[in-house]
Amino acid sequence: DGGITQSPKYLFRKEGQNVTLSCEQNLNHDAMYWYRQDPGQGLRLIYYSQIVNDFQKGDIAEGYSVSREKKESFPLTVTSAQKNPTAFYLCASSFGTGLSNQPQHFGDGTRLSIL
Amino acid sequence: SQQGEEDPQALSIQEGENATMNCSYKTSINNLQWYRQNSGRGLVHLILIRSNEREKHSGRLRVTLDTSKKSSSLLITASRAADTASYFCATARSYNTDKLIFGTGTRLQVFP
Repeated sequence: DGGITQSPKYLFRKEGQNVTLSCEQNLNHDAMYWYRQDPGQGLRLIYYSQIVNDFQKGDIAEGYSVSREKKESFPLTVTSAQKNPTAFYLCASSFGTGLSNQPQHFGDGTRLSIL
Repeated sequence: SQQGEEDPQALSIQEGENATMNCSYKTSINNLQWYRQNSGRGLVHLILIRSNEREKHSGRLRVTLDTSKKSSSLLITASRAADTASYFCATARSYNTDKLIFGTGTRLQVFP
């Protein structure tokens, strides 16, 4: 079955540590996204990518970095510069390069906590 | 920046009843989308309605869009316990260049 796989499901970060969240899709989608969700809140866009080797900052990119070396993969690194990283992180993808005119398909998220 | 605001924030009903949740937004849109999120899971796309459409149906779901009032509603008919989830609206402000902006959601609880 086609879909988006996020791993790990739970992740703990120590002070000063960088951690990387994995996102893989086999839907052959061009566009991929990373969102952050805080309790009782909507989603906020961190980064997005419309094509391989290109990505754009979203609304809350500070303290995060991404890469898009393959169409299927869009990993997110939470750096030590992100002072409040505890949140639920969601990866999504959509068909074509139109960012907002297609439905987005989501993975099941990674919950990141501080040790 | 917050675009979509859902109302109510929380809704509790009995199985078999209808559930209506509303979304208001501030600027002109290209389309509006509704998503469902079960606890601890990712979002699932339900319906996309474009700015030139007024109503769309999908199974027990009915979405309306009133661009003059900048509002949309999602109606779930004959609710089931499995419909218990959070429901989000997301708006797209312009074609092909902008991002989806999500509201804060309506938490729906359906009691058996």
